[in-house]
Amino acid sequence: AQSVAQPEDQVNVAEGNPLTVKCTYSVSGNPYLFWYVQYPNRGLQFLLKYITGDNLVKGSYGFEAEFNKSQTSFHLKKPSALVSDSALYFCAVRDRDTGFQKLVFGTGTRLLVSP
Amino acid sequence: EADIYQTPRYLVIGTGKKITLECSQTMGHDKMYWYQQDPGMELHLIHYSYGVNSTEKGDLSSESTVSRIRTEHFPLTLESARPSHTSQYLCASSVTGGRQETQYFGPGTRLLVL
Repeated sequence: AQSVAQPEDQVNVAEGNPLTVKCTYSVSGNPYLFWYVQYPNRGLQFLLKYITGDNLVKGSYGFEAEFNKSQTSFHLKKPSALVSDSALYFCAVRDRDTGFQKLVFGTGTRLLVSP
Repeated sequence: EADIYQTPRYLVIGTGKKITLECSQTMGHDKMYWYQQDPGMELHLIHYSYGVNSTEKGDLSSESTVSRIRTEHFPLTLESARPSHTSQYLCASSVTGGRQETQYFGPGTRLLVL
């Protein structure tokens, strides 16, 4: 069975500082990994994904994530946080070997960027 | 923004009423999904569809039903709404094969059952 863990309910960072939102995963095969962002009263918006290839994935709004197979992690990062980055962030995984497209989501991490 | 639409965006309704939440996408995606999400909480898959006339129950048991008569349309129905159905419902779609594994989400329907 596949699962995702986001160990932090909330991450606080000052504007201009680097941010990291953590995600670890568990799949029986090889993973597809995703990050989504959700702003208040909105649906989820796709940020980036890891399918194969380079371990460092660049996505929307200056976000990037690094796939680390040995640590089964896919942490989301941004070099310089903006107040407008404040939102709820979800990591998701799918086992590429199952043939299904069901995603398993983490519990979400609320990012709060202070001015 | 993805081309996936949900109506209504907000719905307040009394117990026992029948409701249908609409979801449509114009991307030609074959797969569609319904998730239930309490505010600020994790998503739970309640229904999905691989294509026309294909529907499956998701990981979270739900009293709702779905249909997929047309590729672009995936409505969710509650025959008799109850306060326990109060939640946000998110629809998503994706396309099979290649590198296009991403699920794209609609804006959601926030349901309040009194």
